[in-house]
Amino acid sequence: DVKVTQSSRYLVKRTGEKVFLECVQDMDHENMFWYRQDPGLGLRLIYFSYDVKMKEKGDIPEGYSVSREKKERFSLILESASTNQTSMYLCASSPSGQGALVTSTDTQYFGPGTRLTVL
Amino acid sequence: SQKIEQNSEALNIQEGKTATLTCNYTNYSPAYLQWYRQDPGRGPVFLLLIRENEKEKRKERLKVTFDTTLKQSLFHITASQPADSATYLCALGISYNTDKLIFGTGTRLQVFP
Repeated sequence: DVKVTQSSRYLVKRTGEKVFLECVQDMDHENMFWYRQDPGLGLRLIYFSYDVKMKEKGDIPEGYSVSREKKERFSLILESASTNQTSMYLCASSPSGQGALVTSTDTQYFGPGTRLTVL
Repeated sequence: SQKIEQNSEALNIQEGKTATLTCNYTNYSPAYLQWYRQDPGRGPVFLLLIRENEKEKRKERLKVTFDTTLKQSLFHITASQPADSATYLCALGISYNTDKLIFGTGTRLQVFP
């Protein structure tokens, strides 16, 4: 079974603090993703990575950065946390896309989430 | 603008009935569409995938349809059970060249005994 783990289930930080959220997957997946999930807004993509040291901005990258030094680990960094970054953060991974042969195995596997509160 | 719409109101049905959830989209031409289940406090879990050239997919009590003309997918759970109570998310795969997905906001399903 694919396992995606996130470093914390709950986190409370203060405004202005630097925050690191860690995600690790154990299935040698090429792609990794960071989302945030807010009521009424659904899952929104912050950043994704399709290879080590490669990253692409998602829909809401402002205020965030990422790091992927090893294939299995993808970190989300809040350089200076703000109250509007209070949210549920979800990490996901997927194997490399297979083009037109995309199958049910090319889905995203999610971690349990980190509920971050910024005071 | 591009939009994915799922019923924001909860769907309440009685055990044994068929639940039907809707996913409508505008200004996208998805290559495929996926449905996920999410329980409170947990990450989404994949259920079914359907490609643009497929009309219908089934898996046990689940059925998904995909109408690219209507720009709509329907997700059916037959013989629903209280254990099916969860939030269901649709997600569009825009291109076969990327695993990036665009998620809807989800519909909460409540199945009563």
